[in-house]
Amino acid sequence: DVKVTQSSRYLVKRTGEKVFLECVQDMDHENMFWYRQDPGLGLRLIYFSYDVKMKEKGDIPEGYSVSREKKERFSLILESASTNQTSMYLCASETGDNNSPLHFGNGTRLTVT
Amino acid sequence: AQKITQTQPGMFVQEKEAVTLDCTYDTSDPSYGLFWYKQPSSGEMIFLIYQGSYDQQNATEGRYSLNFQKARKSANLVISASQLGDSAMYFCAMREGQGYKLSFGAGTTVTVRA
Repeated sequence: DVKVTQSSRYLVKRTGEKVFLECVQDMDHENMFWYRQDPGLGLRLIYFSYDVKMKEKGDIPEGYSVSREKKERFSLILESASTNQTSMYLCASETGDNNSPLHFGNGTRLTVT
Repeated sequence: AQKITQTQPGMFVQEKEAVTLDCTYDTSDPSYGLFWYKQPSSGEMIFLIYQGSYDQQNATEGRYSLNFQKARKSANLVISASQLGDSAMYFCAMREGQGYKLSFGAGTTVTVRA
């Protein structure tokens, strides 16, 4: 079974802090994704990566950056956290085949105070 | 414009009955894939079923089936013989063409009553 592991289940940070959310997958998947989930809005794509050091912006990249130095690891960075970034963050990976489903981690619930 | 629309924010269903969750989509690409995911209260997203735009048959996976009506651009999920463990939020999602991105709907919460 594919395993996608997010380093933290819950995080509480202060406004202005730099925040790192880490994600590791163990199935040698090409593509990795960061989504945020908010009530009534579903999941919205922040960034995705299709190869090491390659990244593309999703629908809501403002205020976020990402890093993919190794194939198995995809990090989401909030350079200066703000209260409107309080959300559930979901990491996912997939093989890259067109009909392959995303495999998700358990999510990180981030609260910015 | 919304790519995926799920019009039912919440539904109640009696145990052992069937429930249909609506999903309509918007795309001009002739090649696309539709996915349904389940998210229990624990938070993990569980892949349920996939339907490709060129698939001739409606997809089925155990108690899950997809009522795919291409001309209407709808891909409704049918859960048969509901169980208490089916209580969760359900998301419809679409990938267009050769793109990477999966676009999600807002989700439908299903509560199964004993």
